[in-house]
Amino acid sequence: NAGVTQTPKFRVLKTGQSMTLLCAQDMNHEYMYWYRQDPGMGLRLIHYSVGEGTTAKGEVPDGYNVSRLKKQNFLLGLESAAPSQTSVYFCASTYLQGNEQFFGPGTRLTVL
Amino acid sequence: RKEVEQDPGPFNVPEGATVAFNCTYSNSASQSFFWYRQDCRKEPKLLMSVYSSGNEDGRFTAQLNRASQYISLLIRDSKLSDSATYLCVVTKGTGGFKTIFGAGTRLFVKA
Repeated sequence: NAGVTQTPKFRVLKTGQSMTLLCAQDMNHEYMYWYRQDPGMGLRLIHYSVGEGTTAKGEVPDGYNVSRLKKQNFLLGLESAAPSQTSVYFCASTYLQGNEQFFGPGTRLTVL
Repeated sequence: RKEVEQDPGPFNVPEGATVAFNCTYSNSASQSFFWYRQDCRKEPKLLMSVYSSGNEDGRFTAQLNRASQYISLLIRDSKLSDSATYLCVVTKGTGGFKTIFGAGTRLFVKA
């Protein structure tokens, strides 16, 4: 099993550009999450999904959109990137809420 | 006040030392508690769950004090490979399920 994978691993954008981060899991997990991690701060939840076709806002959703068209994939979109979105983005999945979350390797995004 | 607070450290200890980390949480309705480990430039990974009765996994011991709303992690006989950031994680299910990650405590174990 590959677990949780993320693409791309690194990306540099200019302000105003758009991009999509892809997260895939092969563990048949219902719940998937997108977090961002910034220095000195804990992981902050951007959006999450409790199953195929459903999404919900997390703690810091502004400037991001998500889609979960297939159970195994969770996409995070930035429509118009801003320097404040420079961060490390982690995707995670879990079988049950409150259980161990399995994380992908992260995407390092820099917005100039 | 942050919902989950940890001393950011860094803790610098020699090999073989015993080191303890504490974490406090603000919501008394919190239900599940974990310690995750995150290596430099890597993703977080579960180290251990924390149970009310306390639990041990080799050199690692986790304890929960619900009355005082804190969790602790004790590492005995520190190894160089223990150098990492340790994240305290708390989940609650009241008023909408939520998982909150602490900012982490950095540990450096030196030879």
